[in-house]
Amino acid sequence: RKEVEQDPGPFNVPEGATVAFNCTYSNSASQSFFWYRQDCRKEPKLLMSVYSSGNEDGRFTAQLNRASQYISLLIRDSKLSDSATYLCVGPTDKLIFGTGTRLQVFP
Amino acid sequence: GAVVSQHPSRVICKSGTSVKIECRSLDFQATTMFWYRQFPKQSLMLMATSNEGSKATYEQGVEKDKFLINHASLTLSTLTVTSAHPEDSSFYICSARDPGVYGDTQYFGPGTRLTVL
Repeated sequence: RKEVEQDPGPFNVPEGATVAFNCTYSNSASQSFFWYRQDCRKEPKLLMSVYSSGNEDGRFTAQLNRASQYISLLIRDSKLSDSATYLCVGPTDKLIFGTGTRLQVFP
Repeated sequence: GAVVSQHPSRVICKSGTSVKIECRSLDFQATTMFWYRQFPKQSLMLMATSNEGSKATYEQGVEKDKFLINHASLTLSTLTVTSAHPEDSSFYICSARDPGVYGDTQYFGPGTRLTVL
């Protein structure tokens, strides 16, 4: 089993929609995770850290479910500019990336 | 957030030549930097962990003699692709770990697009 797994999508949603992505992890001892955003042909940029109590930043909410070993990213009121690939990143000494989930927001 | 630079941003070279890519942390000291490679429509794959003042740690399947890593200072790591071949064409991205006040965060450089003819 891969250390970090994501649904590659794509998720096609209209503007204003709420969309959620999940990411499963295999290492039950993991303490912290991250969501990165990557635009086409660009480097990943840190979107949010996810700690044990979760995290909320504006329209974005990240949650950690230890029992089921997954983290989620919820985007409310989607904007066209949210279109990107969202990468779930594992919590080891070195960052292990999921394959990413492609989000396309349409007008 | 912290800034990490990479140079060059794009390079085209002939098969058999060597290419050096620099990764710099501009406003923090990074004892650890990471080198990733990303092929089109694929995820980032960690190639190696670069530790200041010591040898790099390579991931399984990455040839250390082909991808030379040097981390001579707390703000600079270099990746040299030796005797490059067309299959080495890829997007190479470095990241630097910033210990920070609130815990480790990794910041990425803008990437280097390598094309080997």
